[in-house]
Amino acid sequence: GNSVTQMEGPVTLSEEAFLTINCTYTATGYPSLFWYVQYPGEGLQLLLKATKADDKGSNKGFEATYRKETTSFHLEKGSVQVSDSAVYFCALTPRTGFQKLVFGTGTRLLVSP
Amino acid sequence: DAEITQSPRHKITETGRQVTLACHQTWNHNNMFWYRQDLGHGLRLIHYSYGVQDTNKGEVSDGYSVSRSNTEDLPLTLESAASSQTSVYFCASSEGQGARETQYFGPGTRLLVL
Repeated sequence: GNSVTQMEGPVTLSEEAFLTINCTYTATGYPSLFWYVQYPGEGLQLLLKATKADDKGSNKGFEATYRKETTSFHLEKGSVQVSDSAVYFCALTPRTGFQKLVFGTGTRLLVSP
Repeated sequence: DAEITQSPRHKITETGRQVTLACHQTWNHNNMFWYRQDLGHGLRLIHYSYGVQDTNKGEVSDGYSVSRSNTEDLPLTLESAASSQTSVYFCASSEGQGARETQYFGPGTRLLVL
């Protein structure tokens, strides 16, 4: 079946540190891959996405590259800010069948000044 | 601006009561989804709809129902609330049916069943 595995949190960083949140997936065929972010008290917002192998999604300084060979979609940012504190969800949509988002369990990021 | 709203934002109810959570979107999207969010599980799909009069079960649909009488609304009903249904509920919508489509989420409803 389809599944997404994310690193356990919380991830605690100081402002301006480098961020990596690991995400690996299991899927039949080539899914589309997404990172969603949830700020405190809010719903989920799309952060970035990639729909085919070797695509790089980017937004607000965050990047993730669709790696078919390692079935990974790790999220990175060169210099985090306090305002980046949130929960980050990796997710996939299978290539065929209905449009079902399969989520990882989420990784909480805490950035201190 | 187009948006997706949920009401109420917070709800406390008692075991056995019927509860309905509202979801309204002004994107004019055909597809709408209901998820529940629980610690350690991420988000799990409850029901989804691809258009008016269309409804389908997701992976955790037991004890829930939905109806789609127009494009804008997909209310979620808990027929007889149980403590296991204490959760945060999110509604989402999307335009197309392809795997590349982005789903847009509402702000969530926090439900406590006592």
